[in-house]
Amino acid sequence: DIQMTQSPSTLSASVGDRVTITCRASQSISSWLAWYQQKPGKAPKLLIYKASSLQSGVPSRFSGSGSETEFTLTISSLQPDDFATYYCQQYNTYSQTFGQGTKVEIK
Amino acid sequence: EVQLVESGGGLIQPGGSLRLSCAASGFTVSSNYMSWVRQAPGKGLEWVSVIYSGGSTYYADSVKGRFTISRDNYKNTLYLQMNSLRAEDTAVYYCARESVWWGQGTLVTVSS
Repeated sequence: DIQMTQSPSTLSASVGDRVTITCRASQSISSWLAWYQQKPGKAPKLLIYKASSLQSGVPSRFSGSGSETEFTLTISSLQPDDFATYYCQQYNTYSQTFGQGTKVEIK
Repeated sequence: EVQLVESGGGLIQPGGSLRLSCAASGFTVSSNYMSWVRQAPGKGLEWVSVIYSGGSTYYADSVKGRFTISRDNYKNTLYLQMNSLRAEDTAVYYCARESVWWGQGTLVTVSS
């Protein structure tokens, strides 16, 4: 199975900061990577698919990049609503896997 | 409007069985790929299973041979049959349509 490793596990930041989260795959997944945002008690929300495509309705401050084994999610200017946990997910194989998550906290 | 409503969760003893349902509205289940994803208390997301529009099904190694995903085209409902349940299956179970639309989740607790 493909393993997905996110870093950091926790990130402390302030409103207005530029934030970057990294996701590494244990083998090449081409661009078959998605990013989700999850808030406590809520279902995940799709932000980015196919590594860099912004899901409809998602603010443009969110962007994704990367391919093969290394990917990043960037929030260009952190907003109060962005404090949440973020997950990457590979769907290159029929057995999909999530990263362990990155919690973005208020500094 | 797309809506997904899970049901069927609850408290079950180890070794028991449970069937989760995900009632869909606003779209046709059989025309999309549908997934189950779970989240143990305080933990991250874990992909469980997927069924594609053509009927192909796939499972995480952790549930293979114990869980079965299926759909009822007439009821427009997705199911997850869970057998031989273990304590580590305790989680909130979400159904999702093509990773974009998600239900609110249903809690399954496996405990004696």
